[in-house]
Amino acid sequence: DSGVTQTPKHLITATGQRVTLRCSPRSGDLSVYWYQQSLDQGLQFLIQYYNGEERAKGNILERFSAQQFPDLHSELNLSSLELGDSALYFCASSVNVPDTQYFGPGTRLTVL
Amino acid sequence: GQQVMQIPQYQHVQEGEDFTTYCNSSTTLSNIQWYKQRPGGHPVFLIQLVKSGEVKKQKRLTFQFGEAKKNSSLHITATQTTDVGTYFCAGPHRGGSNYKLTFGKGTLLTVNP
Repeated sequence: DSGVTQTPKHLITATGQRVTLRCSPRSGDLSVYWYQQSLDQGLQFLIQYYNGEERAKGNILERFSAQQFPDLHSELNLSSLELGDSALYFCASSVNVPDTQYFGPGTRLTVL
Repeated sequence: GQQVMQIPQYQHVQEGEDFTTYCNSSTTLSNIQWYKQRPGGHPVFLIQLVKSGEVKKQKRLTFQFGEAKKNSSLHITATQTTDVGTYFCAGPHRGGSNYKLTFGKGTLLTVNP
C-alpha cells in the first residue's frame, strides 16, 4: 500500500459524458501527478500540481482539466469522452519535485 | 522534447535465466529512477541512482547509471516467477523552471517456470 488513494477503482461511461477522478496523496506529500496508461502508449504524463499550483503539463488534452485543493487532494476531470480515452489513470504523489513518486492503485476508465 | 527510450520492449525468459533492460535518455539526467509494475498493479518505486557510474544492488537486481548520466540498466540474475512485470525507468526533465518525470515505455518481462 503506497498511501495514495484513488476513487473510483472502475468507471464505465458513454461517449460524450464527463467524469471526475479523485486522488488523495500520501500524508505530507505536496506534489500530485496524473498519468494515463493505455496498452500501446505506456505511462503518459498529464499534469502536475505542487501545493495547489499547477507546475508542469504533459500531453493533456483540452477536454481534460485538473486541480489540487487546499487539503492537497486532487481531481482530474475528463469531459466529452471518446472511446480512445479508455485507459488506466494513475495518480502519484511525492514530497517535493522531482522526488520519488508513489503511485495510487489507479482508476480504470472504460468509455463505451 | 526530452525522451527516455527503453529496450527491449518485451523479454521472455526461462526461470533461472538472467534478464537485462536498458534505458537511454536524450539528455543528461540529474538522477534516474526505476519502477516495477506487476500485472494488474500500479508502478512501484524500486531505486534511484544519482551519481555518474553508480551501481546499486537489491538482492538479485543490479542497477547501473552510466558515466555520462544518459543511460542506465537493470539486470536481474537468475529470474524467478515473482520478477514478472513491466520495468520502467524514469528521468527528471526540466521544462522552464519546472521538472517532470519522463518515463520510458517499459520492458515487459515474462518468466516461464
